[in-house]
Amino acid sequence: DVKVTQSSRYLVKRTGEKVFLECVQDMDHENMFWYRQDPGLGLRLIYFSYDVKMKEKGDIPEGYSVSREKKERFSLILESASTNQTSMYLCASQFTGLIAGYTFGSGTRLTVV
Amino acid sequence: LAKTTQPISMDSYEGQEVNITCSHNNIATNDYITWYQQFPSQGPRFIIQGYKTKVTNEVASLFIPADRKSSTLSLPRVSLSDTAVYYCLVGDMGYDQTGANNLFFGTGTRLTVIP
Repeated sequence: DVKVTQSSRYLVKRTGEKVFLECVQDMDHENMFWYRQDPGLGLRLIYFSYDVKMKEKGDIPEGYSVSREKKERFSLILESASTNQTSMYLCASQFTGLIAGYTFGSGTRLTVV
Repeated sequence: LAKTTQPISMDSYEGQEVNITCSHNNIATNDYITWYQQFPSQGPRFIIQGYKTKVTNEVASLFIPADRKSSTLSLPRVSLSDTAVYYCLVGDMGYDQTGANNLFFGTGTRLTVIP
């Protein structure tokens, strides 16, 4: 069974900390994505990557950066965490050319205090 | 950017058929219509995809009229375990590397199945 694994289910960090959210997929997918999900706002795309070392901004990239050094791993970085970044973060991967959708991880609920 | 509009919430009794309609007036020729289901504390999961007319799988049916400006997800005989948020997406998820920018999840439809 294909898998997207997010390293933590729950995280609590302090304001100003640097935070790393890790995502690993075992499907050899080219495309990987980071979303955040907030009540009443649905899923919003932060960044995506279509190849190693390639990245594209999504709808809400401010305050975030990403890293993709290996095909299977896509990291989301909060350079200086703020309370408005408290959210559920979802990672997804997709095989380019496959008209069949995304595979999502189970999410990381981040609380910034 | 083909955005979608769905009802915010729906309630249904167990055993009934549920139809959730999605509007996508700006759908492009190459766009497919895809529905996802999300349970609490989980990521969304793919349930069905179509381009035109009708698609059916073991979970649901998808009805798409000829003008493709809307689509209807049909869940037959829902049970309590179908309580979830359902998202309608429109986009070209094929070879275009920037295809992800065409995907808009929105807020989805929260379906509550009542015993």
